[in-house]
Amino acid sequence: GAGVSQSPSNKVTEKGKDVELRCDPISGHTALYWYRQSLGQGLEFLIYFQGNSAPDKSGLPSDRFSAERTGGSVSTLTIQRTQQEDSAVYLCASSADRGGYEQYFGPGTRLTVT
Amino acid sequence: DQQVKQNSPSLSVQEGRISILNCDYTNSMFDYFLWYKKYPAEGPTFLISISSIKDKNEDGRFTVFLNKSAKHLSLHIVPSQPGDSAVYFCAASARGGADGLTFGKGTHLIIQP
Repeated sequence: GAGVSQSPSNKVTEKGKDVELRCDPISGHTALYWYRQSLGQGLEFLIYFQGNSAPDKSGLPSDRFSAERTGGSVSTLTIQRTQQEDSAVYLCASSADRGGYEQYFGPGTRLTVT
Repeated sequence: DQQVKQNSPSLSVQEGRISILNCDYTNSMFDYFLWYKKYPAEGPTFLISISSIKDKNEDGRFTVFLNKSAKHLSLHIVPSQPGDSAVYFCAASARGGADGLTFGKGTHLIIQP
């Protein structure tokens, strides 16, 4: 069956531009997560959706970051006025429900801000 | 403040031998632990997990051991195979996973022929 998909796979953008990253979770998975992995670091949790709502947005690094999810499926992570420190691999994961500990990851979007 | 620590950035093991990857945590609220395997340019792949009410979980060549009093877990792979060469991440969860997983920085396992 289809796993988690993300697009684009790679994105190079100039400092100050806005970018939008997309995640398609596994069909039927109600919980969706965004993480990022900076060079040499582990995965950093950003935000979690149960259905279309995100109960806690405190993991987002700054107010330039926002995320939404529509129809309980596709999610977009938007970074406004990108900075060089935003360069990282952004990973999306989904799980069956809020109690689904096992999260299944997409291949990630590698973002490079020049 | 790292709540999940993998102190060995890399580990080299001969094919056929046992690989032991270690992980320590500091947050006593963690109640579920997972290991993920990651190849370059791919997302992490779920490998095996363990609940805090258990001290061992086995799945084929992979076994995870949990020592709650020491806040330590380990992943044993036996026998190690060339395809096991990858980066292994330890992750922990509290509150039913609602806050996302907390990951270590990973250990690069290299299986030598």
